[in-house]
Amino acid sequence: GAGVSQTPSNKVTEKGKYVELRCDPISGHTALYWYRQSLGQGPEFLIYFQGTGAADDSGLPNDRFFAVRPEGSVSTLKIQRTERGDSAVYLCASSLWALQETQYFGPGTRLLVL
Amino acid sequence: AQRVTQPEKLLSVFKGAPVELKCNYSYSGSPELFWYVQYSRQRLQLLLRHISRESIKGFTADLNKGETSFHLKKPFAQEEDSAMYYCALKEGGSNYKLTFGKGTLLTVNP
Repeated sequence: GAGVSQTPSNKVTEKGKYVELRCDPISGHTALYWYRQSLGQGPEFLIYFQGTGAADDSGLPNDRFFAVRPEGSVSTLKIQRTERGDSAVYLCASSLWALQETQYFGPGTRLLVL
Repeated sequence: AQRVTQPEKLLSVFKGAPVELKCNYSYSGSPELFWYVQYSRQRLQLLLRHISRESIKGFTADLNKGETSFHLKKPFAQEEDSAMYYCALKEGGSNYKLTFGKGTLLTVNP
């Protein structure tokens, strides 16, 4: 079946602009995660959704970052007033349930802030 | 806070040679440990997890709580094993958050 998909695959924006990154999880997966991977680093946790609610947003770096999952399926990561330091690959993952379950990753969105 | 350390950024071996990718962790509780792999132009995928105690693609990893290590091993490396490997930790119990190391790029030369 289809895996996790993310759009766009690449996004170039200017400092100060607003961006939205989309994640389509595997159908039926209730848990959804966002990670950020900076150059030379491993993925770093940003936020976790169980259903529609953000169960843990402790990894969001500051209040410019926000994510939603209004219908418990597709999620959007929103970044306001982008900064050059936001440049990274943003990864989305989903799992059937959160606990004891394998997380399946999407291909990522490569964000470049000029 | 938990931390995962992969001391080697790059590892190069010849085909047929044994390979060991090192992973050390710091966590006071009982963690779950994982190895994820990313082949060229592919997405990150789970290779193996310590609780399964399985061998995938000839790779094995044993959790050593005394040394807080979870090294990945394969007795005879193949060219198709060339990839980026990430060790990851999930806190034991109900936590879902994965903490990743910085990764090791394995190159298997012909």
